[in-house]
Amino acid sequence: AQSVTQLDSQVPVFEEAPVELRCNYSSSVSVYLFWYVQYPNQGLQLLLKYLSGSTLVKGINGFEAEFNKSQTSFHLRKPSVHISDTAEYFCAVSIGSGTYKYIFGTGTRLKVLA
Amino acid sequence: EAQVTQNPRYLITVTGKKLTVTCSQNMNHEYMSWYRQDPGLGLRQIYYSMNVEVTDKGDVPEGYKVSRKEKRNFPLILESPSPNQTSLYFCASTLSMRGSSTDTQYFGPGTRLTVL
Repeated sequence: AQSVTQLDSQVPVFEEAPVELRCNYSSSVSVYLFWYVQYPNQGLQLLLKYLSGSTLVKGINGFEAEFNKSQTSFHLRKPSVHISDTAEYFCAVSIGSGTYKYIFGTGTRLKVLA
Repeated sequence: EAQVTQNPRYLITVTGKKLTVTCSQNMNHEYMSWYRQDPGLGLRQIYYSMNVEVTDKGDVPEGYKVSRKEKRNFPLILESPSPNQTSLYFCASTLSMRGSSTDTQYFGPGTRLTVL
């Protein structure tokens, strides 16, 4: 069965510091990988996605993620965070064949400190 | 404006009283989905629909029903709500899921449901 693991439930970081939010997945079939962000009291919006090709994916708001097939990881990074990046971040996979489900991780709450 | 709308945004009800949460999208998307969000559990898919009259179970379908009679609408029905269905519910739509799973999901604003 497919699964997504976000080991860090909360990540505090000072403003202008770099951050990495970790995501690992498990799947026996091909998957597509996504990062979504949820600001307080809002729905989710897409940050970036990996479908194929270059393993380094750039998204909105200065975020990027790297797909590592051997480590089954898709970690999200930003070189310098802002207060406005405080939000919850979800890693997700969609199943590439046979079914059309989405599976989300449990989320990582990023808190940027002044 | 392209959007996914949900109604109501907030609902407090009692055990056993049937309710429907509506979801509508104006983007002509084929794929629609319902999720529930609970603290520490992330989002879990309840049901999804590939197109009109085509629906399938997600990971947590028990206690829920859906229908897809029109492309734009995908209501979530709780025939006999119970307190363990207290949660934040999101509807989402995607242009297409024709086996390639390439499309972004667009989420509604959420419905906070409390079942007493």
